[in-house]
Amino acid sequence: DVKVTQSSRYLVKRTGEKVFLECVQDMDHENMFWYRQDPGLGLRLIYFSYDVKMKEKGDIPEGYSVSREKKERFSLILESASTNQTSMYLCASRSVREGLKITDTQYFGPGTRLTVL
Amino acid sequence: KQEVTQIPAALSVPEGENLVLNCSFTDSAIYNLQWFRQDPGKGLTSLLLIQSSQREQTSGRLNASLDKSSGRSTLYIAASQPGDSATYLCAVRPTDSWGKLQFGAGTQVVVTP
Repeated sequence: DVKVTQSSRYLVKRTGEKVFLECVQDMDHENMFWYRQDPGLGLRLIYFSYDVKMKEKGDIPEGYSVSREKKERFSLILESASTNQTSMYLCASRSVREGLKITDTQYFGPGTRLTVL
Repeated sequence: KQEVTQIPAALSVPEGENLVLNCSFTDSAIYNLQWFRQDPGKGLTSLLLIQSSQREQTSGRLNASLDKSSGRSTLYIAASQPGDSATYLCAVRPTDSWGKLQFGAGTQVVVTP
């Protein structure tokens, strides 16, 4: 089974702090994603990475940066946390092949609920 | 820009009734459409993936249909159970994306015993 883990389930930070959210997948997937989820807005893509050291902006990258130094790990960084970044953050990794079968499935971590005071 | 809409936002049904969840999208240029389930405070679990060339996919009590030309997908859950209570999200992968998905806001389902 694919496993995607996130470093914290709940996090409380103060305005202006630098925040690191980590995501690890154990299936050697090349593509990884960071989303935030807010009530009524669904999931919105912040950044994604299609391979090590490769990153692309998603729909809402402002105020965030990412790092992908190793294939299994994708980190989301809030350079200076603000109250409007209070949200649920979800990481996903994408499978394009499962055995001999071509697929296109994203596997999600359990999420990190971040509160910025 | 692709927009994905799920109506209604919430639904409550008695146990045993069939569930019908709707998803619509504005641009028919998609690679595939995926349905996910999310339990409260948890991540998403993929339920079904329909390729753009397919009309439907089935898994147990779940059946998802896709009408790409009209921009609609429907998820049917037969004989609902209280354990089906969750939020269901649909997501499309546009053809010009790099594996990126565009999500709807979800339908919150409650199945009452």
